[in-house]
Amino acid sequence: KAGVTQTPRYLIKTRGQQVTLSCSPISGHRSVSWYQQTPGQGLQFLFEYFSETQRNKGNFPGRFSGRQFSNSRSEMNVSTLELGDSALYLCASSHLPGGLNEQFFGPGTRLTVL
Amino acid sequence: DQQVKQNSPSLSVQEGRISILNCDYTNSMFDYFLWYKKYPAEGPTFLISISSIKDKNEDGRFTVFLNKSAKHLSLHIVPSQPGDSAVYFCAASGGSGGSNYKLTFGKGTLLTVNP
Repeated sequence: KAGVTQTPRYLIKTRGQQVTLSCSPISGHRSVSWYQQTPGQGLQFLFEYFSETQRNKGNFPGRFSGRQFSNSRSEMNVSTLELGDSALYLCASSHLPGGLNEQFFGPGTRLTVL
Repeated sequence: DQQVKQNSPSLSVQEGRISILNCDYTNSMFDYFLWYKKYPAEGPTFLISISSIKDKNEDGRFTVFLNKSAKHLSLHIVPSQPGDSAVYFCAASGGSGGSNYKLTFGKGTLLTVNP
């Protein structure tokens, strides 16, 4: 079974631009969660989608948004990029809603904002 | 407000010895706990989990202990191997409403196992 895939793996943007990251979950998984990892901050929860519905959202500004499609693939969008948005963005999928079972992570997208 | 805390940023042990990684939580509604391991340039990999109805769960060299009254859990790795060198994250979930739809992670502990 193929694992969670994320594209692109690396991205360089400048301040003020917007970016879209993509995540394809493991086949059959209906939940996709997004996390931001920065040095010293661990993994911070962005949002979780289950069957195309956002079930929970973390404490991030409205510039961070997401969606999930009927095939469970998910996208995350960040508008008006700031230097502090530079981070590793991780996506995870699971059978059940995010906090109820183990999540399987993708390799992440490394975003650098210049 | 950091609800899951891993107070040791790093830990170094000798190959063959026991590694003990600790995690404390403050939210009494958490009822499901997990440990993940992360190598550089890779996503976290699930290791082991425990629900609040248990106080111990074992899987091979990995054992997780849960002390609900102290709001503390620990991961024991015996015997430790150099390949275990990685960042270990503790995570928790639980609560009402949307709270159980997310995992709350600690900041991680870097484990180094020396040959």
